[in-house]
Amino acid sequence: KAGVTQTPRYLIKTRGQQVTLSCSPISGHRSVSWYQQTPGQGLQFLFEYFSETQRNKGNFPGRFSGRQFSNSRSEMNVSTLELGDSALYLCASSLPGPTGELFFGEGSRLTVL
Amino acid sequence: QQPVQSPQAVILREGEDAVINCSSSKALYSVHWYRQKHGEAPVFLMILLKGGEQKGHEKISASFNEKKQQSSLYLTASQLSYSGTYFCGTPSGNTGKLIFGQGTTLQVKP
Repeated sequence: KAGVTQTPRYLIKTRGQQVTLSCSPISGHRSVSWYQQTPGQGLQFLFEYFSETQRNKGNFPGRFSGRQFSNSRSEMNVSTLELGDSALYLCASSLPGPTGELFFGEGSRLTVL
Repeated sequence: QQPVQSPQAVILREGEDAVINCSSSKALYSVHWYRQKHGEAPVFLMILLKGGEQKGHEKISASFNEKKQQSSLYLTASQLSYSGTYFCGTPSGNTGKLIFGQGTTLQVKP
């Protein structure tokens, strides 16, 4: 069974640019969550999607957005990049509900210069 | 509210034991534990679903005390492979949203 796939794995952008990250969940998983990981802040919840609907959103500015497609693949977008957006962005898929184990992808490491 | 983990970091020798605590200011109904090795994605260890429940994974076990709103992860006879950062996560609402603690970095030395 293929795991969670995230692309791209690494990218470098400059301030003011925008970026789109992609996540393909495990087959059969309709719930996809996104997390931002930085050394000082740990794993911060960004959003969760289920059946193309955003069910939860974390405390991030509106520059952070996402969507989910009918095949459960998800994308997140960050516009007007700031230096502080440099981080590892992790996607996780799961079966629905609060007891579902999260399966994480290896992440997309974004560096903003 | 983010759960609080303690300690922030632990250094052990192989064969020693460690305990990592996770506490919350709000009622807990379940607790997840994950381990992230350096440069890798977090990996699920176990979930505890009700008060007093204990689970085990290899020589890693955990307990969950609903009344005290806390969970503890016990690493027995630690191995080099146990090195990494351990996160506890608590669900927020009835969806898949998990709020993670800040993590506890464990280093096991030979």
